[in-house]
Amino acid sequence: QQPVQSPQAVILREGEDAVINCSSSKALYSVHWYRQKHGEAPVFLMILLKGGEQKGHEKISASFNEKKQQSSLYLTASQLSYSGTYFCGTEANTGNQFYFGTGTSLTVIP
Amino acid sequence: KAGVTQTPRYLIKTRGQQVTLSCSPISGHRSVSWYQQTPGQGLQFLFEYFSETQRNKGNFPGRFSGRQFSNSRSEMNVSTLELGDSALYLCASSLAPAGGAYEQYFGPGTRLTVT
Repeated sequence: QQPVQSPQAVILREGEDAVINCSSSKALYSVHWYRQKHGEAPVFLMILLKGGEQKGHEKISASFNEKKQQSSLYLTASQLSYSGTYFCGTEANTGNQFYFGTGTSLTVIP
Repeated sequence: KAGVTQTPRYLIKTRGQQVTLSCSPISGHRSVSWYQQTPGQGLQFLFEYFSETQRNKGNFPGRFSGRQFSNSRSEMNVSTLELGDSALYLCASSLAPAGGAYEQYFGPGTRLTVT
């Protein structure tokens, strides 16, 4: 039931782009994305709902492919502040179950 | 608006003891979820409470329990502590049940060390 994220870890140079994927074995109603910096609590980034549009937040955007039960987080022109662990959270169509993914560690270097 | 608060922030216990952790959600939030975080294990869902009722429970042994009070404050209890229970315990609150269109706001966590 826990969604699987890929890659597990990625290292980028400032200005490079990255894509983080989140896959579920269940048909999804919503996908949430959070970022957790070292030693801090996770912080909300965005929510994508079934039938909704692709979301964007500054240079971070996400898509939700309902047919494939997948979501992707796109980070463009990465900044040092983007470093952290990214988690997706998914809610199945059947409702009542919300689980966070396995996490993706992203490191941006100068 | 005050954020989610958790007490205590740090705790050291001995195997076999029990522990109670507390979480105060953002004012107006009725859902509180608890997660266990260990290195390499991500955020493992423990349980969620909404309006004083346990809405969901994760795959953890019965030693882990929780409750929610009428003011939405929540506690979780771990009995007969094991070394493997050492972790960061995070609680998160939201306006509505977890998932859907409402984001979760996390507290700073309680770092539990079992010796």
